[in-house]
Amino acid sequence: GENVEQHPSTLSVQEGDSAVIKCTYSDSASNYFPWYKQELGKRPQLIIDIRSNVGEKKDQRIAVTLNKTAKHFSLHITETQPEDSAVYFCLDSSGNTPLVFGKGTRLSVIA
Amino acid sequence: SAVISQKPSRDICQRGTSLTIQCQVDSQVTMMFWYRQQPGQSLTLIATANQGSEATYESGFVIDKFPISRPNLTFSTLTVSNMSPEDSSIYLCSVKDGGHEQYFGPGTRLTVT
Repeated sequence: GENVEQHPSTLSVQEGDSAVIKCTYSDSASNYFPWYKQELGKRPQLIIDIRSNVGEKKDQRIAVTLNKTAKHFSLHITETQPEDSAVYFCLDSSGNTPLVFGKGTRLSVIA
Repeated sequence: SAVISQKPSRDICQRGTSLTIQCQVDSQVTMMFWYRQQPGQSLTLIATANQGSEATYESGFVIDKFPISRPNLTFSTLTVSNMSPEDSSIYLCSVKDGGHEQYFGPGTRLTVT
């Protein structure tokens, strides 16, 4: 994995609102960007990913967008629920190297 | 996705002792890794477990402290040697097989007293 800047580090939203987490990468050759969710006391779980040949991918309430020109990608969670509360990690991954985690974004959904 | 199990799930150990953590995968995988997650922190990569050869360690981690074995494509062990309270962490096994997706085991919670 390569260096990725992730913002914000913490995010609080009201239940039902949307949450957006943004990430910027540096390697223009990067082609795979996974998002992991880690709930308290649990292992990181892959929730969605995007490859460089698409600009957007959706899975129910979550979506990821990719802007290759600007080298940034974002996670969008709509209609947030308390169970969305977790730490979210964006990563830049190549096929043969392990993931290198940054500090992530701690999302709190307030009921 | 691969199903990953780890043993033990947790342990409390005395300083100066060693603990070996086992990681078992339900299918053959190309790559296996070990991570550490200290309380309230993100995940830190310890090493890549190489089948049939010595593990590849990240900066700050050495074989004498964290010896790793990988005898086949479904199993690996991580030993935490001569433990101190600073080694109290969750240790996670992780696998990657061909594609980009990487999956994590449930972790082993280690407390050193």
